Amino acid sequence: KAGVTQTPRYLIKTRGQQVTLSCSPISGHRSVSWYQQTPGQGLQFLFEYFSETQRNKGNFPGRFSGRQFSNSRSEMNVSTLELGDSALYLCASSVGLAGAVDTQYFGPGTRLTVL
Amino acid sequence: QKEVEQDPGPLSVPEGAIVSLNCTYSNSAFQYFMWYRQYSRKGPELLMYTYSSGNKEDGRFTAQVDKSSKYISLFIRDSQPSDSATYLCAMIGGTSYGKLTFGQGTILTVHP
Repeated sequence: KAGVTQTPRYLIKTRGQQVTLSCSPISGHRSVSWYQQTPGQGLQFLFEYFSETQRNKGNFPGRFSGRQFSNSRSEMNVSTLELGDSALYLCASSVGLAGAVDTQYFGPGTRLTVL
Repeated sequence: QKEVEQDPGPLSVPEGAIVSLNCTYSNSAFQYFMWYRQYSRKGPELLMYTYSSGNKEDGRFTAQVDKSSKYISLFIRDSQPSDSATYLCAMIGGTSYGKLTFGQGTILTVHP
């Protein structure tokens, strides 16, 4: 079974631009969660989607948004990029149950650098 | 104060040593506890998960949870150079969708 895939793997943008990252979950998984990983803050939860609906959201500004398609693929968008948005963005897919029996499998991440 | 505290290390041990990794947490709503391992330039991979106080063993790995003290541990026996990675503890509440709360991660190096 193929794992979680994320595209692109690396991205360089300048301040003020916007960016869209893509995540394809494991076949059969309907939940996709997004995380931001930085050296200072570690891994922080952005949001979770299930069946095209956002079910949970972390404490990030509205510049960070996401969506999920009917095939469970998900995209996240960051508008008006800031230098502090430079990070590894990880998505994780799972079946979609509440609680930890719903194991999350992570993709390799997209490394975003904002200049 | 962060909900989950983890000593970032780094931790350097000789091959064959027993490694102890620890996290403390403050949120009583956390019911499920996980340990992930992350190699450089890779996404985290799940090592173990537990949901009750006590020990759970899987090969060279033992996860320990003490809910009364809000303290979890991961022990690695007979550590190998291939265990060199960042180890992340993670937790989630029983009714929370998707939102894992992670510790800062501990960088472990096992030298031959």
